[in-house]
Amino acid sequence: AQRVTQPEKLLSVFKGAPVELKCNYSYSGSPELFWYVQYSRQRLQLLLRHISRESIKGFTADLNKGETSFHLKKPFAQEEDSAMYYCALSPGGYQKVTFGTGTKLQVIP
Amino acid sequence: EAGVAQSPRYKIIEKRQSVAFWCNPISGHATLYWYQQILGQGPKLLIQFQNNGVVDDSQLPKDRFSAERLKGVDSTLKIQPAKLEDSAVYLCASSLEGGGVTEAFFGQGTRLTVV
Repeated sequence: AQRVTQPEKLLSVFKGAPVELKCNYSYSGSPELFWYVQYSRQRLQLLLRHISRESIKGFTADLNKGETSFHLKKPFAQEEDSAMYYCALSPGGYQKVTFGTGTKLQVIP
Repeated sequence: EAGVAQSPRYKIIEKRQSVAFWCNPISGHATLYWYQQILGQGPKLLIQFQNNGVVDDSQLPKDRFSAERLKGVDSTLKIQPAKLEDSAVYLCASSLEGGGVTEAFFGQGTRLTVV
């Protein structure tokens, strides 16, 4: 069975400080990993996916198969980054996407 | 392009009553999902349709929940009878392809309160 763990419910950082949102997963194969974001009063939306190896809004995430982690990082937090962040996993292909419980990022001005 | 539309936005019902939610996905999207998000938890997949066929409904409580996607476009999710623990936000999403192959676009959700 696949499982996604986000250990922090709330992460508060000051503007300009580095951000790291933790995500660990449990899956025996080679999964696809995603980060979704939900800003206040907006819809849940895709932030980035590991296969794209891209940086979105300054965020990056590296898949570490040895540690089964997919932490989301940004070197300098901005106030507009305040939102709910969900890590998600899919076994691949057309199989279902499993979400973590989410971490609320609060950037303090 | 227009996003995923859901209605109603809010619904309050008494336990043992029935309720239905409606979803209109993005035009051309073959895959449609219904998720349940209980307060403080991440979205949990209830059912996934590929066109009008069911791909995954392993977490759908089939004794009280049902869903259909007629003609492979709009979808309805029904709960009958509702229980207190069904209080949650019900999210509909759609994508060109299923699973994680392509990006899923989410609707605003329907917030259900069962009293």
